[in-house]
Amino acid sequence: LAKTTQPISMDSYEGQEVNITCSHNNIATNDYITWYQQFPSQGPRFIIQGYKTKVTNEVASLFIPADRKSSTLSLPRVSLSDTAVYYCLPQGGTYKYIFGTGTRLKVLA
Amino acid sequence: KAGVTQTPRYLIKTRGQQVTLSCSPISGHRSVSWYQQTPGQGLQFLFEYFSETQRNKGNFPGRFSGRQFSNSRSEMNVSTLELGDSALYLCASSLALVQASPGELFFGEGSRLTVL
Repeated sequence: LAKTTQPISMDSYEGQEVNITCSHNNIATNDYITWYQQFPSQGPRFIIQGYKTKVTNEVASLFIPADRKSSTLSLPRVSLSDTAVYYCLPQGGTYKYIFGTGTRLKVLA
Repeated sequence: KAGVTQTPRYLIKTRGQQVTLSCSPISGHRSVSWYQQTPGQGLQFLFEYFSETQRNKGNFPGRFSGRQFSNSRSEMNVSTLELGDSALYLCASSLALVQASPGELFFGEGSRLTVL
């Protein structure tokens, strides 16, 4: 059974870089990884999506190693407003709709 | 551009009743998917509809059903409610023109169901 796991929680200070890892044992070469951010009482919101090596946008970077057994969301210089729950979503084949377990990030002043 | 709209936002039911939740996707989006979110189980996929056809289904009992209308609006129904059905039900829409291309999911704010 496909399973996508993430650390339950992380704490960080404002201005630091935060890396959140998602483990997905067996995704195909063309499968995408998407990350979402969720605040309380809201639906998840798209952060970034990619399927190989490294993708960067204005808010985050996504790293996918060659073995594709994990992926890492990198948030540069976090602020208090980045306190939220972060979910990864491998998409394709067996993993098509299996969200990660979620990581609760708390940013401290 | 209006976002994904879910109604009702909150509702309380008792065991054995049934409930229908509604989702209006972003204009032009033909794919609608539904998720159950609970503290213990996280975000779990229920089903996906595309052009009025169920394209994928998660691992939920037959009490959970859904449909999509020609205008892409979708409803999900839960019959014979159980206490464990208390959850936030999220709907997401996407362009998803072809099944292999994931696209971005746009979520609504959810319908919070409490079963007493």
